[in-house]
Amino acid sequence: GAGVSQSPSNKVTEKGKDVELRCDPISGHTALYWYRQSLGQGLEFLIYFQGNSAPDKSGLPSDRFSAERTGGSVSTLTIQRTQQEDSAVYLCASSGRTSGRTTGELFFGEGSRLTVL
Amino acid sequence: KNQVEQSPQSLIILEGKNCTLQCNYTVSPFSNLRWYKQDTGRGPVSLTIMTFSENTKSNGRYTATLDADTKQSSLHITASQLSDSASYICVVSDEGGSYIPTFGRGTSLIVHP
Repeated sequence: GAGVSQSPSNKVTEKGKDVELRCDPISGHTALYWYRQSLGQGLEFLIYFQGNSAPDKSGLPSDRFSAERTGGSVSTLTIQRTQQEDSAVYLCASSGRTSGRTTGELFFGEGSRLTVL
Repeated sequence: KNQVEQSPQSLIILEGKNCTLQCNYTVSPFSNLRWYKQDTGRGPVSLTIMTFSENTKSNGRYTATLDADTKQSSLHITASQLSDSASYICVVSDEGGSYIPTFGRGTSLIVHP
């Protein structure tokens, strides 16, 4: 597709259930990022992928959170045993240019809104 | 530690008025600074990028400035429109090879008719 695609757009789950959020980046983009945004708050970095490897996963808040990326394309963010504080919008972004030692423009998806009851 | 601070946290203006949003950063070594616009319920979209050698850059009614000496940037919106209501996020990238840009918390702008 032309942009970053995320699914589902909305997810309501019960506390203790596992959820999977999917991100389909722009074709050819090697860098992929996951962010979390709680209501009225700024973006919180979760994890960064370069290709299929994750050189920086320092933002994952607990071991209940994990992510993988396959084929240098689609990424899945998994939250196990969800808690109410996990409720937020999860945003995925991809970037195609890593010129030198910096990153290019991030292109964001529309996000997946997670509500944990 | 790299940090980006934005002010004000929120701003309400009347349609047609101008406004200026501020961004201070302590990212080093500096590479570039981007302003993103995030409409409610949407993902952020880049408005403009500023590199070290650039002082001013315009994108329609949006004008960004950069003072690399004082490590400050501003985003000026001219003749505001209702569609300008959004969160404006300042994002700074470094040349340190981390590839993780530093995000400000954003300024929430509301334009009233």
